[in-house]
Amino acid sequence: GQNIDQPTEMTATEGAIVQINCTYQTSGFNGLFWYQQHAGEAPTFLSYNVLDGLEEKGRFSSFLSRSKGYSYLLLKELQMKDSASYLCAAMDSNYQLIWGAGTKLIIKP
Amino acid sequence: IAGITQAPTSQILAAGRRMTLRCTQDMRHNAMYWYRQDLGLGLRLIHYSNTAGTTGKGEVPDGYSVSRANTDDFPLTLASAVPSQTSVYFCASSASESTDTQYFGPGTRLTVL
Repeated sequence: GQNIDQPTEMTATEGAIVQINCTYQTSGFNGLFWYQQHAGEAPTFLSYNVLDGLEEKGRFSSFLSRSKGYSYLLLKELQMKDSASYLCAAMDSNYQLIWGAGTKLIIKP
Repeated sequence: IAGITQAPTSQILAAGRRMTLRCTQDMRHNAMYWYRQDLGLGLRLIHYSNTAGTTGKGEVPDGYSVSRANTDDFPLTLASAVPSQTSVYFCASSASESTDTQYFGPGTRLTVL
């Protein structure tokens, strides 16, 4: 079956760094997406990885290891506005996204 | 440019009633999607459309139907609502059905009593 696993909740301190992990099992693989979702709002795109390695985009970076079925999202210099849920989604061979349940990130001052 | 709009924002519906959730995009995207989001679960695909005139079933299509008469609109219909269809519904679109980024509408919060 197809499955995405990510932690339910994480807590971090303002100004710190946090890493949100995601493991996936899909029928075929066409890339790994990360989305941010603030409470009561729509998911918004953060990153897409299809090749192994680290992609950096400002304070956010995303890593992919295809052989391990593993990705992480790294958030640096945390700000209070980063409090949100972070959704990991893997694209299968039919180009359909398989979504994790999301990691709720709580930022404390 | 509005992107993707959904209507209504929220709705309370009696079980057994018919309901259509509206979705319109102005990005000329070929592919459109309907998802439901329930607490503790990932987004689940209900139906999708890769281009105007075609539709396909996702992971949880039972009790829902869609149509894609043109590029911009992708309505989702619940023929006879049941309480298990209480959820937040998101419409999304992407330039094509491949690895293009999906962009989401603001969602419709539906409660079926």
